[in-house]
Amino acid sequence: DAGVIQSPRHEVTEMGQEVTLRCKPISGHDYLFWYRQTMMRGLELLIYFNNNVPIDDSGMPEDRFSAKMPNASFSTLKIQPSEPRDSAVYFCASSLGRGGPGELFFGEGSRLTVL
Amino acid sequence: DQQVKQNSPSLSVQEGRISILNCDYTNSMFDYFLWYKKYPAEGPTFLISISSIKDKNEDGRFTVFLNKSAKHLSLHIVPSQPGDSAVYFCAASGSGAGSYQLTFGKGTKLSVIP
Repeated sequence: DAGVIQSPRHEVTEMGQEVTLRCKPISGHDYLFWYRQTMMRGLELLIYFNNNVPIDDSGMPEDRFSAKMPNASFSTLKIQPSEPRDSAVYFCASSLGRGGPGELFFGEGSRLTVL
Repeated sequence: DQQVKQNSPSLSVQEGRISILNCDYTNSMFDYFLWYKKYPAEGPTFLISISSIKDKNEDGRFTVFLNKSAKHLSLHIVPSQPGDSAVYFCAASGSGAGSYQLTFGKGTKLSVIP
């Protein structure tokens, strides 16, 4: 059974460019989360969806960040324009979300470097 | 302000000995606590959890202890093995509508020395 799939695994871009990160959650999972990992702040929740609807985007750092989930099997996190301080590992995770706080299943992450 | 704190960035333990990883939290509304393990270039994976109504949960070599009055939890690994070398994240969630939203600590890097 495939886990959470993220692409690209690595992205190097120049400041000002648009970056799009993609995620395919585990089939049947109702919740999808986008996290960012940095040395300074650890794992931060950016936004999460329930049944494709954004529930809480309070963690999105700025208007330059946006996320969509057009259907149950696909989500994108977009940064436009990108800045060097956006360099981090971005994780997507999904969860069944039934019967109490379930465990999150994480993808392998997308390492973003903005020069 | 960090609601979940792991004050030790790193820990080294001899193989076969006990590893104790600590975590403190500030939000008394947290109802459920989890530990995740992360290897380099991989995503975190769930390890063990505990509900706030319990003070201990055990799964093989891994035991999590919860002290609600002190807002403190710890993960014990006995005996420690070289394959346990990883970054361990403590996480917490509330109840009800917020229960699927986890707040993570910054992680503790465990090195188990053969």
